Amino acid sequence: DQQVKQNSPSLSVQEGRISILNCDYTNSMFDYFLWYKKYPAEGPTFLISISSIKDKNEDGRFTVFLNKSAKHLSLHIVPSQPGDSAVYFCAASGDAGGTSYGKLTFGQGTILTVHP
Amino acid sequence: GAGVSQSPSNKVTEKGKDVELRCDPISGHTALYWYRQSLGQGLEFLIYFQGNSAPDKSGLPSDRFSAERTGGSVSTLTIQRTQQEDSAVYLCASSLGRGGQETQYFGPGTRLLVL
Repeated sequence: DQQVKQNSPSLSVQEGRISILNCDYTNSMFDYFLWYKKYPAEGPTFLISISSIKDKNEDGRFTVFLNKSAKHLSLHIVPSQPGDSAVYFCAASGDAGGTSYGKLTFGQGTILTVHP
Repeated sequence: GAGVSQSPSNKVTEKGKDVELRCDPISGHTALYWYRQSLGQGLEFLIYFQGNSAPDKSGLPSDRFSAERTGGSVSTLTIQRTQQEDSAVYLCASSLGRGGQETQYFGPGTRLLVL
């Protein structure tokens, strides 16, 4: 039972263009969503998060959109840079009333490659 | 340093041996988490410590796995009688732990290989 899914295992984008990474979830108790970036042989690095009371959060080149009715979130990177090449994980946690409180449930990850 | 640290960075052991993995969380963070990432898999929750509360052990895959957190800071994950399927990257994270929506910050991980 995979509660957080990233259906695209990989994405290739030209430098300067937009990268859009997608994530779907099934657990309606999730109320906080995060994106992490991971380089080989390193731990995940926090990028950006969004609370379920919002539908958009922006931080520099990174914007996360949340569509609660569709149980879908996306990460937009504009403009994409070669240094953005990494594995991107979306993650979710739930509120204090549920079993997903505190712990993060991760998607399988999407490998982003930004070509110069 | 200011981040989460883990040791050792790499561990090779023989099947049947016990191993201990250590995590030092960010200073001031009261919540500590262990995850693992097996080859080709996503990150899988193992256990969660919050202050003095009883830990959430719901993710531990078997009774060979246990974890302690001493003095509300350093944590040790112990795997007894290791099996080859225990080979994975074991990641530790910490957060402020005030409750509600928390951002977890990860360490670099310990790469465990069971021969």
